[in-house]
Amino acid sequence: GQQLNQSPQSMFIQEGEDVSMNCTSSSIFNTWLWYKQDPGEGPVLLIALYKAGELTSNGRLTAQFGITRKDSFLNISASIPSDVGIYFCAGQRRNTPLVFGKGTRLSVIA
Amino acid sequence: DARVTQTPRHKVTEMGQEVTMRCQPILGHNTVFWYRQTMMQGLELLAYFRNRAPLDDSGMPKDRFSAEMPDATLATLKIQPSEPRDSAVYFCASGLVEAQLGTGELFFGEGSRLTVL
Repeated sequence: GQQLNQSPQSMFIQEGEDVSMNCTSSSIFNTWLWYKQDPGEGPVLLIALYKAGELTSNGRLTAQFGITRKDSFLNISASIPSDVGIYFCAGQRRNTPLVFGKGTRLSVIA
Repeated sequence: DARVTQTPRHKVTEMGQEVTMRCQPILGHNTVFWYRQTMMQGLELLAYFRNRAPLDDSGMPKDRFSAEMPDATLATLKIQPSEPRDSAVYFCASGLVEAQLGTGELFFGEGSRLTVL
C-alpha cells in the first residue's frame, strides 16, 4: 500500500524555537493535510493543501505542498507549551482514502 | 458547532464479548471512515463509506469485524468475538468529498478506547 515517511519521529525543543517536520512519499498526491492530536483526543485538522507549490499559513503554522507533489512540510514558529502533541501528515489521491504518516511527537520544554 | 460524535468513549470488556462502537458523522458529510490507532501501527484504515455505501473494508479482519451505516446519521463498527489484540483507539471520521476534486478534508471524532482483557 501507499506509504508516507514522516520525520522526525519525535522532537524536543525549547519554548520559543521554530519547528520543522516533513512528509515524503513515492507516490503523487492531490491533497496534503496536516493534523494535530492532543492526548486522549482525535486528530484535529490544521492545514489543507490542494495545489502543488501552495504555501498556506494558519497563525504560527505554515505548510507547503511540494512542487513534485510527493512531499509536504509543516513549520511552527515561536513554539509554545500548548504546541505539544503528535502531528500527522496525510496525503490523498483522487477518490481514495487518506494515507497517514506515523506522526511526529513534539515536546516543548518551557 | 458541528462535530463527529462517537460512543462509547471508553470500553473495557472480556475476550469473546461483542463490542459495538457508534458514530454520528457531521450533518451533510457524504463520506465516513473508521480508523484504528495503536502505538505500533499508527492510524490504520479499517473501512469507509460514501453516501452510506461501503467502498472499502479491506483493512478489517472480516471474520470478526463488521461495519455498517444503517442511515446517514449513524455508522457502526462491531467486533464479535473481541480479542485482546483488538485493544486500541477506534476513530470515526467524516468528510465531504467533492465529486470533481475527489478529495476532501476529514474531521475526526474523539475516539473510542477499547480494552479487551
